[in-house]
Amino acid sequence: DAGVIQSPRHEVTEMGQEVTLRCKPISGHNSLFWYRQTMMRGLELLIYFNNNVPIDDSGMPEDRFSAKMPNASFSTLKIQPSEPRDSAVYFCASSLASKTYEQYFGPGTRLTVT
Amino acid sequence: AQSVTQLGSHVSVSEGALVLLRCNYSSSVPPYLFWYVQYPNQGLQLLLKYTSAATLVKGINGFEAEFKKSETSFHLTKPSAHMSDAAEYFCAVSAGNNRKLIWGLGTSLAVNP
Repeated sequence: DAGVIQSPRHEVTEMGQEVTLRCKPISGHNSLFWYRQTMMRGLELLIYFNNNVPIDDSGMPEDRFSAKMPNASFSTLKIQPSEPRDSAVYFCASSLASKTYEQYFGPGTRLTVT
Repeated sequence: AQSVTQLGSHVSVSEGALVLLRCNYSSSVPPYLFWYVQYPNQGLQLLLKYTSAATLVKGINGFEAEFKKSETSFHLTKPSAHMSDAAEYFCAVSAGNNRKLIWGLGTSLAVNP
């Protein structure tokens, strides 16, 4: 299996621009998680989906952030408009719904907003 | 509610020395406990898990952890550190299966030759 695939691996954008991060979970996994990692705040869960349905989005920082999962093999995290404080590494992870503690992480997208 | 505290954001050991990374948890229900490892420029991967079976849990790469309810601890150990163990280690807790993971802030392990 190819594991969790994220794109792009690096993104540099200017403040105010729209940013879209993409994730392909492991085939057969039906839970998907978006995390943000920074030195100051550590690892934060932004949102997670079960069977393509958002279950908990309490970690989404504000309305500038949105996430979708149109099908079982694809999810996006969008930031519009982006701000410098959004600079972080964004991870996508997937798991079986019966074992959400056993998460498989992608390599992450390093976002820099200037 | 659950919470996790990792004592020491940075730990440095010599190659061949004992590794001890500390994790204390708080949980109002019997917890599930986990250690994940993050190598440089990679995502996290599950190292080991406690899900209410044996209290001494063995994981990959020679690591193990012991669940101690009386001390609310789940410390990670390895008898002999290897250079390849240098990474960030995260402790996490959940209120059982299918519950959100609550993460610690991580401990960065450096291994000196």
